[in-house]
Amino acid sequence: AQSVTQLDSHVSVSEGTPVLLRCNYSSSYSPSLFWYVQHPNKGLQLLLKYTSAATLVKGINGFEAEFKKSETSFHLTKPSAHMSDAAEYFCVVSLFRGGSYIPTFGRGTSLIVHP
Amino acid sequence: DTGVSQDPRHKITKRGQNVTFRCDPISEHNRLYWYRQTLGQGPEFLTYFQNEAQLEKSRLLSDRFSAERPKGSFSTLEIQRTEQGDSAMYLCASSSLSRGRDTGELFFGEGSRLTVL
Repeated sequence: AQSVTQLDSHVSVSEGTPVLLRCNYSSSYSPSLFWYVQHPNKGLQLLLKYTSAATLVKGINGFEAEFKKSETSFHLTKPSAHMSDAAEYFCVVSLFRGGSYIPTFGRGTSLIVHP
Repeated sequence: DTGVSQDPRHKITKRGQNVTFRCDPISEHNRLYWYRQTLGQGPEFLTYFQNEAQLEKSRLLSDRFSAERPKGSFSTLEIQRTEQGDSAMYLCASSSLSRGRDTGELFFGEGSRLTVL
């Protein structure tokens, strides 16, 4: 079955340390992959997207993600966390269903940044 | 055009009442999606339109839910005979085609929060 899995519901880091948010997917083809961020009481915003070009994708605010087909993963990273990065992060995969590609969200990972 | 707008932002209603939400997408976007998000969960797909055609509906969309996009511009999502389990944030998003392919990037509104008492 096609699916998207975010492996951690919460990730806690100290300011200035690296961030790793994990995402795995299950699909019978190479889908389009995205990361979105949702700050408290704000709308969802696109961080970055992979659409079969370079496997290392750079996004806004210093985030990047690497598409690894062999591992069916699309983990989000940032070298140094900032307090303003505290938010909910969603991995999104365009899964084929009923004749259409539907952007399908993972359950989300809450990033907590300690001073 | 500043983005996707949704109305109302908040709605409190009593169980059994009908509610309707409106979404105005970015004007040149021909695809429009509705999602539902509950606390601590990711947005769940409900339905999507390409122009005025409703092309896909989730099993989450029971017969109490109906969505329309009559002229291929704004869309409405109606919930009839609301239940407490319908309490959620209802999100609308739009996207566009680029060179005949969906870019896949969704532009979201800020959502309509429904509370059913």
